[in-house]
Amino acid sequence: QQQVKQSPQSLIVQKGGISIINCAYENTAFDYFPWYQQFPGKGPALLIAIRPDVSEKKEGRFTISFNKSAKQFSLHIMDSQPGDSATYFCAAGKTYNTDKLIFGTGTRLQVFP
Amino acid sequence: ETGVTQTPRHLVMGMTNKKSLKCEQHLGHNAMYWYKQSAKKPLELMFVYSLEERVENNSVPSRFSPECPNSSHLFLHLHTLQPEDSALYLCASSQDRGGSALDEQFFGPGTRLTVL
Repeated sequence: QQQVKQSPQSLIVQKGGISIINCAYENTAFDYFPWYQQFPGKGPALLIAIRPDVSEKKEGRFTISFNKSAKQFSLHIMDSQPGDSATYFCAAGKTYNTDKLIFGTGTRLQVFP
Repeated sequence: ETGVTQTPRHLVMGMTNKKSLKCEQHLGHNAMYWYKQSAKKPLELMFVYSLEERVENNSVPSRFSPECPNSSHLFLHLHTLQPEDSALYLCASSQDRGGSALDEQFFGPGTRLTVL
């Protein structure tokens, strides 16, 4: 009930391509789904988040797609750049308990020129 | 200094040593967190402090002992650790303890701990 499954574990994309990372959750009570970006030697930083009242949220080149019935959400990075190379973590939790996020295992993205 | 800082950045210790990790946040936040990050595993929440009071302890072994002397500082005291405790230990802070949709957690860079 408390797991968040993330795939793929690693992803190699050419510059300009689309990077797609998928996550699935189990607890239907979750209503807050953030994505974090972590560069080597740094802590995770919030990238973008979505709540289930919308099916998609876009910020620049980053888009979250949300499928409530399937209990799945995904991160799409359009026009991927070498500077996007990082590890991406999805997470799930409840809006008013965001201190108890359940994290995925991470996806290491490498974008080659 | 801005954001969340952690010292030391790297630590190697033997199983019989005692050491401490330090975290300081310069954001005026009221809540602070310790996480353990191991390769290919989800981030594990260890402890949560709100207004210097421990409000969460996720079944963490007693060889890890947190201390929060004030709302800006958080320590993790380590003693008689095991090799499987080797990991990246991350500190984070948020305005309040996740009671608001705006309580984003800001992470420090972590301490890379190796237990020999």
